[in-house]
Amino acid sequence: AQTVTQSQPEMSVQEAETVTLSCTYDTSESDYYLFWYKQPPSRQMILVIRQEAYKQQNATENRFSVNFQKAAKSFSLKISDSQLGDAAMYFCAYRRGQGAQKLVFGQGTRLTINP
Amino acid sequence: DAGVTQSPTHLIKTRGQQVTLRCSPISGHKSVSWYQQVLGQGPQFIFQYYEKEERGRGNFPDRFSARQFPNYSSELNVNALLLGDSALYLCASSLVGGAYSNQPQHFGDGTRLSIL
Repeated sequence: AQTVTQSQPEMSVQEAETVTLSCTYDTSESDYYLFWYKQPPSRQMILVIRQEAYKQQNATENRFSVNFQKAAKSFSLKISDSQLGDAAMYFCAYRRGQGAQKLVFGQGTRLTINP
Repeated sequence: DAGVTQSPTHLIKTRGQQVTLRCSPISGHKSVSWYQQVLGQGPQFIFQYYEKEERGRGNFPDRFSARQFPNYSSELNVNALLLGDSALYLCASSLVGGAYSNQPQHFGDGTRLSIL
C-alpha cells in the first residue's frame, strides 16, 4: 500500500520569507501523481500544485514550487515571499496513475506566518 | 460557476442513528469521491463514483454506502453511527474519473458530523 509521510507537524515563517515543507512517499508504482493541498480554517481543501511522476521538470505555480526527487521519493513544497494568507494546514497527497481516483494524504503540516 | 457544494454544513447525531450527507459536483463534473477527515489527521478515501458506478472503495465497514444520481450528485450514507464516525466528511469532484484520468479533484467545504 502507498503511504505518504509529512515529518513536520508544524512550521512557522516570517512574512515575506521562504519556507519549505517536506513530504516523502512510498510506492512501487512508476506512474503516479503528487499533489499539495492547502486547508485553511474555512475547511475547504484547495489544490496548490500538482506534479506528474513522468515529468522531470519541477512544477511551479507563482510563489509555489516543488522539488521532486523521484529516486528518493521526496516531494517538498517551497513557498516564496510568504504571505499572511498562506497560513493553513498543508497536505501532501499521492494518487496512482491508473485506477480509482483515490488520494492518499499525509498527516499534514500546520504553517504559521508571523507578521 | 459554483464549486462543489455539500449539505448540511454541520450535523449532530447520536450513536446508533443513520445519516445521509449530500454533494453536488461542479457543473460538468462526472466523478465524485468521498473522504473522511478525523480531527488532526489527513483525509481518508471512502468511495469514488463515476458515471453512477462505484469505481473505488476505501477500507471502511459496510455501514458506509454511497450512490450517484443521473445528475452526478451523490449521497453518502452511514448506518449505526459510532462515536468514531465523528469527523469532517469531504466530497471532491473531477471532470472525468475513468481509470486513466489525470483530472485533479476539487473539494467542497465538507460536512462536520458530530456523534454524541
